[in-house]
Parts: sequence; structure tokens; C-alpha cells
Amino acid sequence: GQQVMQIPQYQHVQEGEDFTTYCNSSTTLSNIQWYKQRPGGHPVFLIQLVKSGEVKKQKRLTFQFGEAKKNSSLHITATQTTDVGTYFCAGILPVSSNYKLTFGKGTLLTVNP
Amino acid sequence: DAGVIQSPRHEVTEMGQEVTLRCKPISGHDYLFWYRQTMMRGLELLIYFNNNVPIDDSGMPEDRFSAKMPNASFSTLKIQPSEPRDSAVYFCASSLIGNTIYFGEGSWLTVV
Repeated sequence: GQQVMQIPQYQHVQEGEDFTTYCNSSTTLSNIQWYKQRPGGHPVFLIQLVKSGEVKKQKRLTFQFGEAKKNSSLHITATQTTDVGTYFCAGILPVSSNYKLTFGKGTLLTVNP
Repeated sequence: DAGVIQSPRHEVTEMGQEVTLRCKPISGHDYLFWYRQTMMRGLELLIYFNNNVPIDDSGMPEDRFSAKMPNASFSTLKIQPSEPRDSAVYFCASSLIGNTIYFGEGSWLTVV
């Protein structure tokens, strides 16, 4: 079945360093979403990418969707302690009779102040 | 908006007992999802409903798990009998197709 792979599994950085997590799908995606889950919390939606090659920014966060719509990345510039948490990508298959979101296993980011 | 509401927030139960988790989705949302999260397996989709109808239950682990959605504002996930390996955080989530999935705060289940 369809899988969404995410790397790295863990990333520890010093505050102020950059951080990137990568998401790869075995099949072409209709669109991709990113979520953040704080420790002890629940996943919270960050953004959705739909178009091939799309790039979106939210302050220090930059999201990219690959040209083939099989991969995506989230880059955080100059990390802060508030960025701590697990970042998940979630892929949606092309339109079919079902609507199904498949989550990657996430990248846990810790930031050393 | 009150968001997705789940209950109970925490439950500790003995092996063999029945567990019922409840969810109230966001009003107007037509999709409801049940996810299970563990350290080992991450976020797993168990089942989802569209307009109260189960669409895909391929993620339900085994016959001990069942889910219902009797109306647009209520769903249950039941485990009977529960086992220690069912210990996890169970999230309910809702959405409008193609849009953001909103998660509840989760039900933290421990089976001893």
C-alpha cells in the first residue's frame, strides 16, 4: 500500500540553527499537508501544498512540494525553543472514490537553548 | 468553535475490560477519523467515516475493535476485550474533504 516516509526520525539542534525534515511518497500525491505536535499535545495543521513545485512560507518555516508531487520538505530557519515538537507530513492520494490521508512517522525536533 | 471533543481524556483499565472512547466532531464536518498513536508505530489511521458511513476500516487491528457513528455529531470507538498492547493515545479528528484535519486532544489509554 501507499507509504509516506519521513526523515530524519530525530533531530537535535542548537537554538539558532536551521532544521529540515523530508517527506517521500511511494506514489504521486494529490496534495500534502504538514502538522506539528507539541510534546503531550495533538497534531495541529500547519499548511497544505497542492501544486507541483509549490513553495509556501510561514515566517521562519518554508514548505516545498516536489515537481513530481512525490516529495516535500519543511525547513525552519534559526530555530527557537518554541519550535520543539514532532513534525508530520501527511499525503493525500489523487482523487478517487475514497479520501485518505497517510501520515509519515514524523520528525522529532529538540532545540537546545 | 469548540473543536473536536474527546472523552475520556485519560483511562486506565484492566486487561479484558471493555473500553469505549467517544468523539464529537466539529459541527458541519463530513469526515471523521480515528487514529491511534504509539511510539513504535506512529500515527495509524484506524477507520474513517464520511457522512456517518464507514468508508475504510482497513486499519482496525482486529475484531476486538469496533467503531460507530450513529449521527453527525457523535462517534465511538470500542475495544472489547482490551489488552495491554492496546495502550496508546487515540485521536479523533474531523474535516471537510480536501481541507484541514482537526484533531481532538486525544484519549490516553493504559491497559494493565
